[in-house]
Amino acid sequence: SQTIHQWPATLVQPVGSPLSLECTVEGTSNPNLYWYRQAAGRGLQLLFYSVGIGQISSEVPQNLSASRPQDRQFILSSKKLLLSDSGFYLCAWSVLAGGFGTQYFGPGTRLTVL
Amino acid sequence: AQKVTQAQTEISVVEKEDVTLDCVYETRDTTYYLFWYKQPPSGELVFLIRRNSFDEQNEISGRYSWNFQKSTSSFNFTITASQVVDSAVYFCALVNTNAGKSTFGDGTTLTVKP
Repeated sequence: SQTIHQWPATLVQPVGSPLSLECTVEGTSNPNLYWYRQAAGRGLQLLFYSVGIGQISSEVPQNLSASRPQDRQFILSSKKLLLSDSGFYLCAWSVLAGGFGTQYFGPGTRLTVL
Repeated sequence: AQKVTQAQTEISVVEKEDVTLDCVYETRDTTYYLFWYKQPPSGELVFLIRRNSFDEQNEISGRYSWNFQKSTSSFNFTITASQVVDSAVYFCALVNTNAGKSTFGDGTTLTVKP
């Protein structure tokens, strides 16, 4: 069966520090991968999605970036965090065949920027 | 551009009442998927249902039912005989079939009181 992992679960970082959040998927090949951010009490904002290794689509201009160095690994990064980067970050995956479009989410990372 | 609107920000009901969560969407695509997800207090999103744009049959799963009406671009979700465990944030989402790009509504917070 497929599983998705995210780490760390929680993170507190000072303004201006770098960020690296990692997401890995097991049990599937060539998944679509997604990064979302959810501000407190708000909906999901799609940040990046990837349909393959090295292929990243950015939805919202910001100081965040994403990379997909391996088929089932998706990394969210920042060189300098802003206060507005605080939020709940969710990684998700989906596949083309069968349940195409159905996204399965990881447990999320709660980021607080102070 | 895609858009999903969940006009109800918060709903509060008493246990055993029926409750309907509204979802209205906009898309130029002729082929797409619609979803409902549940986000309990733990934060992880749980997939509830997927419906493709060619399938307007209503679906019932236990106490849950979904009404998809393409003519009004709506995909509403009804919980019958609500329970306290139904308390959560519910998200409606739209995914296009070309690139898998997803758009989520802002969510409806449902509180079921005993």
